[in-house]
Amino acid sequence: GESVGLHLPTLSVQEGDNSIINCAYSNSASDYFIWYKQESGKGPQFIIDIRSNMDKRQGQRVTVLLNKTVKHLSLQIAATQPGDSAVYFCAENIRGNTPLVFGKGTRLSVIA
Amino acid sequence: GAGVSQSPSNKVTEKGKDVELRCDPISGHTALYWYRQSLGQGLEFLIYFQGNSAPDKSGLPSDRFSAERTGGSVSTLTIQRTQQEDSAVYLCASSPGGGINQPQHFGDGTRLSIL
Repeated sequence: GESVGLHLPTLSVQEGDNSIINCAYSNSASDYFIWYKQESGKGPQFIIDIRSNMDKRQGQRVTVLLNKTVKHLSLQIAATQPGDSAVYFCAENIRGNTPLVFGKGTRLSVIA
Repeated sequence: GAGVSQSPSNKVTEKGKDVELRCDPISGHTALYWYRQSLGQGLEFLIYFQGNSAPDKSGLPSDRFSAERTGGSVSTLTIQRTQQEDSAVYLCASSPGGGINQPQHFGDGTRLSIL
Protein backbone atom coordinates (compact mmCIF):
# COMPACT_ATOMS: atom_id res chain seq x y z
CA GLY A 1 0.00 0.00 0.00
CA GLU A 2 0.90 3.64 -0.13
CA SER A 3 3.54 4.51 2.42
CA VAL A 4 3.26 8.27 2.24
CA GLY A 5 0.05 10.28 2.15
CA LEU A 6 -1.25 13.76 2.73
CA HIS A 7 -4.03 14.92 5.04
CA LEU A 8 -5.27 17.82 2.90
CA PRO A 9 -5.61 17.57 -0.86
CA THR A 10 -6.19 21.34 -1.28
CA LEU A 11 -5.26 24.34 0.80
CA SER A 12 -6.21 27.97 0.20
CA VAL A 13 -4.45 30.73 2.13
CA GLN A 14 -4.40 34.49 2.08
CA GLU A 15 -1.26 36.16 0.82
CA GLY A 16 0.96 36.97 3.75
CA ASP A 17 -0.44 34.24 5.99
CA ASN A 18 1.52 31.18 7.02
CA SER A 19 0.77 27.85 5.34
CA ILE A 20 1.05 24.42 6.86
CA ILE A 21 1.01 21.31 4.69
CA ASN A 22 0.83 17.96 6.43
CA CYS A 23 1.98 14.49 5.51
CA ALA A 24 1.67 11.09 7.17
CA TYR A 25 4.01 8.21 6.52
CA SER A 26 3.67 4.61 7.55
CA ASN A 27 7.14 3.12 7.20
CA SER A 28 9.03 3.49 10.45
CA ALA A 29 12.22 2.44 8.64
CA SER A 30 12.22 5.63 6.57
CA ASP A 31 15.17 7.78 7.50
CA TYR A 32 15.11 10.64 5.04
CA PHE A 33 12.27 12.92 3.97
CA ILE A 34 12.00 15.54 1.26
CA TRP A 35 9.47 18.20 0.34
CA TYR A 36 9.06 19.09 -3.31
CA LYS A 37 7.15 21.88 -5.03
CA GLN A 38 5.69 21.24 -8.45
CA GLU A 39 4.37 24.00 -10.69
CA SER A 40 2.23 23.29 -13.70
CA GLY A 41 4.21 21.79 -16.56
CA LYS A 42 7.38 21.51 -14.49
CA GLY A 43 9.17 18.75 -12.66
CA PRO A 44 9.24 18.61 -8.86
CA GLN A 45 11.59 21.18 -7.36
CA PHE A 46 13.48 20.40 -4.17
CA ILE A 47 12.45 22.63 -1.25
CA ILE A 48 13.90 21.16 1.92
CA ASP A 49 14.89 17.83 3.41
CA ILE A 50 15.24 16.36 6.85
CA ARG A 51 16.91 13.28 8.24
CA SER A 52 15.31 11.07 10.84
CA ASN A 53 17.77 12.14 13.54
CA MET A 54 16.31 15.65 13.42
CA ASP A 55 12.95 17.07 14.52
CA LYS A 56 13.09 20.40 12.75
CA ARG A 57 14.94 22.05 9.95
CA GLN A 58 14.62 25.60 8.67
CA GLY A 59 15.25 27.08 5.29
CA GLN A 60 14.39 30.38 3.73
CA ARG A 61 10.72 30.99 4.69
CA VAL A 62 10.20 27.23 5.05
CA THR A 63 10.40 24.92 8.02
CA VAL A 64 9.99 21.16 8.06
CA LEU A 65 8.93 19.38 11.23
CA LEU A 66 9.27 15.65 11.76
CA ASN A 67 7.42 13.76 14.46
CA LYS A 68 8.63 10.19 14.38
CA THR A 69 6.38 9.13 17.24
CA VAL A 70 3.25 9.62 15.14
CA LYS A 71 4.99 9.37 11.76
CA HIS A 72 4.03 12.87 10.73
CA LEU A 73 5.80 15.43 8.59
CA SER A 74 4.81 19.03 7.97
CA LEU A 75 5.96 21.89 5.80
CA GLN A 76 5.45 25.41 7.07
CA ILE A 77 5.71 28.33 4.67
CA ALA A 78 5.98 31.75 6.25
CA ALA A 79 4.39 34.83 4.69
CA THR A 80 2.93 32.88 1.80
CA GLN A 81 3.29 34.58 -1.56
CA PRO A 82 1.44 34.09 -4.87
CA GLY A 83 4.55 32.41 -6.24
CA ASP A 84 4.12 29.68 -3.65
CA SER A 85 1.00 28.44 -5.43
CA ALA A 86 1.80 24.92 -6.59
CA VAL A 87 1.36 21.28 -5.67
CA TYR A 88 3.52 20.15 -2.77
CA PHE A 89 4.67 16.56 -2.34
CA CYS A 90 6.34 14.89 0.56
CA ALA A 91 8.54 11.91 -0.18
CA GLU A 92 10.32 9.36 1.95
CA ASN A 93 13.42 7.30 1.49
CA ILE A 94 14.18 4.03 3.21
CA ARG A 95 17.93 4.36 2.74
CA GLY A 96 20.26 6.59 0.85
CA ASN A 97 19.87 7.01 -2.87
CA THR A 98 17.00 4.61 -3.39
CA PRO A 99 13.69 5.38 -5.07
CA LEU A 100 11.51 7.86 -3.26
CA VAL A 101 7.97 7.04 -2.21
CA PHE A 102 5.67 9.98 -2.90
CA GLY A 103 2.28 10.99 -1.63
CA LYS A 104 -0.41 12.28 -3.99
CA GLY A 105 0.29 15.94 -3.23
CA THR A 106 -1.46 18.98 -1.79
CA ARG A 107 -2.43 21.90 -3.97
CA LEU A 108 -1.67 25.24 -2.34
CA SER A 109 -3.61 28.22 -3.67
CA VAL A 110 -2.61 31.67 -2.51
CA ILE A 111 -5.36 34.28 -2.52
CA ALA A 112 -4.07 37.77 -3.25
CA GLY B 1 23.69 21.69 -18.52
CA ALA B 2 23.14 22.61 -14.91
CA GLY B 3 20.03 20.52 -14.39
CA VAL B 4 18.41 17.29 -15.52
CA SER B 5 17.37 17.53 -19.15
CA GLN B 6 14.64 15.45 -20.74
CA SER B 7 13.53 15.13 -24.33
CA PRO B 8 11.18 15.38 -25.99
CA SER B 9 9.09 17.62 -23.74
CA ASN B 10 5.93 16.36 -25.41
CA LYS B 11 5.24 13.24 -27.41
CA VAL B 12 1.99 12.25 -29.11
CA THR B 13 1.83 8.86 -30.74
CA GLU B 14 -0.67 6.27 -31.86
CA LYS B 15 -1.53 3.23 -29.84
CA GLY B 16 0.75 0.33 -30.69
CA LYS B 17 3.78 2.43 -31.60
CA ASP B 18 7.08 2.32 -29.72
CA VAL B 19 8.45 5.44 -28.01
CA GLU B 20 11.84 6.41 -26.64
CA LEU B 21 12.27 9.03 -23.93
CA ARG B 22 15.66 10.49 -23.13
CA CYS B 23 17.21 11.77 -19.91
CA ASP B 24 20.48 13.63 -19.42
CA PRO B 25 21.28 13.67 -15.69
CA ILE B 26 23.28 16.26 -13.81
CA SER B 27 26.95 15.83 -14.61
CA GLY B 28 28.68 13.63 -12.05
CA HIS B 29 25.47 12.12 -10.64
CA THR B 30 25.80 8.37 -10.50
CA ALA B 31 22.20 7.60 -9.51
CA LEU B 32 19.39 8.00 -12.07
CA TYR B 33 15.70 7.35 -11.57
CA TRP B 34 12.63 7.18 -13.78
CA TYR B 35 9.18 7.95 -12.39
CA ARG B 36 5.74 8.21 -13.95
CA GLN B 37 3.11 10.75 -12.97
CA SER B 38 -0.47 10.28 -14.07
CA LEU B 39 -2.85 13.24 -14.14
CA GLY B 40 -3.38 14.63 -10.66
CA GLN B 41 -1.40 11.84 -9.05
CA GLY B 42 1.86 11.45 -7.22
CA LEU B 43 4.98 9.98 -8.70
CA GLU B 44 5.28 6.25 -9.31
CA PHE B 45 8.75 4.72 -9.34
CA LEU B 46 9.70 2.83 -12.49
CA ILE B 47 13.42 2.01 -12.59
CA TYR B 48 16.64 3.06 -10.87
CA PHE B 49 20.30 2.98 -11.96
CA GLN B 50 23.21 3.28 -9.55
CA GLY B 51 26.68 3.36 -11.08
CA ASN B 52 27.60 0.08 -12.71
CA SER B 53 25.22 -2.01 -10.62
CA ALA B 54 22.34 -3.90 -12.16
CA PRO B 55 19.31 -1.58 -12.36
CA ASP B 56 16.39 -1.94 -9.99
CA LYS B 57 13.50 -2.66 -12.35
CA SER B 58 10.95 -3.48 -9.68
CA GLY B 59 8.68 -0.56 -10.61
CA LEU B 60 8.26 -1.31 -14.30
CA PRO B 61 4.54 -2.01 -14.89
CA SER B 62 4.99 -4.52 -17.72
CA ASP B 63 7.59 -6.07 -20.00
CA ARG B 64 6.73 -3.45 -22.60
CA PHE B 65 8.80 -1.03 -20.53
CA SER B 66 12.59 -1.07 -20.53
CA ALA B 67 15.41 1.36 -19.88
CA GLU B 68 19.11 1.54 -20.39
CA ARG B 69 21.86 3.84 -19.30
CA THR B 70 24.86 4.14 -21.54
CA GLY B 71 28.27 5.14 -20.24
CA GLY B 72 26.87 5.87 -16.84
CA SER B 73 25.25 9.06 -18.05
CA VAL B 74 22.38 9.37 -20.54
CA SER B 75 19.38 7.10 -20.06
CA THR B 76 16.64 6.06 -22.46
CA LEU B 77 13.24 4.75 -21.38
CA THR B 78 11.54 2.68 -24.08
CA ILE B 79 7.88 1.77 -24.17
CA GLN B 80 6.93 -0.81 -26.78
CA ARG B 81 3.47 -1.29 -28.26
CA THR B 82 2.12 1.70 -26.36
CA GLN B 83 -1.34 1.57 -24.79
CA GLN B 84 -3.63 4.43 -23.83
CA GLU B 85 -2.98 3.77 -20.14
CA ASP B 86 0.68 4.64 -20.78
CA SER B 87 -0.34 8.29 -21.19
CA ALA B 88 1.39 10.20 -18.38
CA VAL B 89 4.29 12.48 -17.63
CA TYR B 90 7.56 10.57 -17.42
CA LEU B 91 10.02 12.18 -15.05
CA CYS B 92 13.71 11.53 -14.67
CA ALA B 93 15.75 12.41 -11.61
CA SER B 94 19.39 12.12 -10.62
CA SER B 95 21.34 12.29 -7.40
CA PRO B 96 25.02 12.10 -6.46
CA GLY B 97 24.80 8.47 -5.33
CA GLY B 98 27.20 6.86 -2.92
CA GLY B 99 24.69 5.71 -0.33
CA ILE B 100 24.40 9.10 1.31
CA ASN B 101 21.01 10.75 1.67
CA GLN B 102 20.87 13.44 -0.99
CA PRO B 103 17.84 14.98 -2.68
CA GLN B 104 16.91 13.79 -6.12
CA HIS B 105 16.78 16.52 -8.74
CA PHE B 106 14.14 16.26 -11.42
CA GLY B 107 13.84 17.24 -15.04
CA ASP B 108 10.63 18.77 -16.38
CA GLY B 109 9.49 15.47 -17.82
CA THR B 110 8.13 14.16 -21.08
CA ARG B 111 4.37 14.41 -21.46
CA LEU B 112 3.33 11.29 -23.37
CA SER B 113 -0.07 11.10 -24.99
CA ILE B 114 -1.26 7.88 -26.63
CA LEU B 115 -4.09 8.34 -29.11
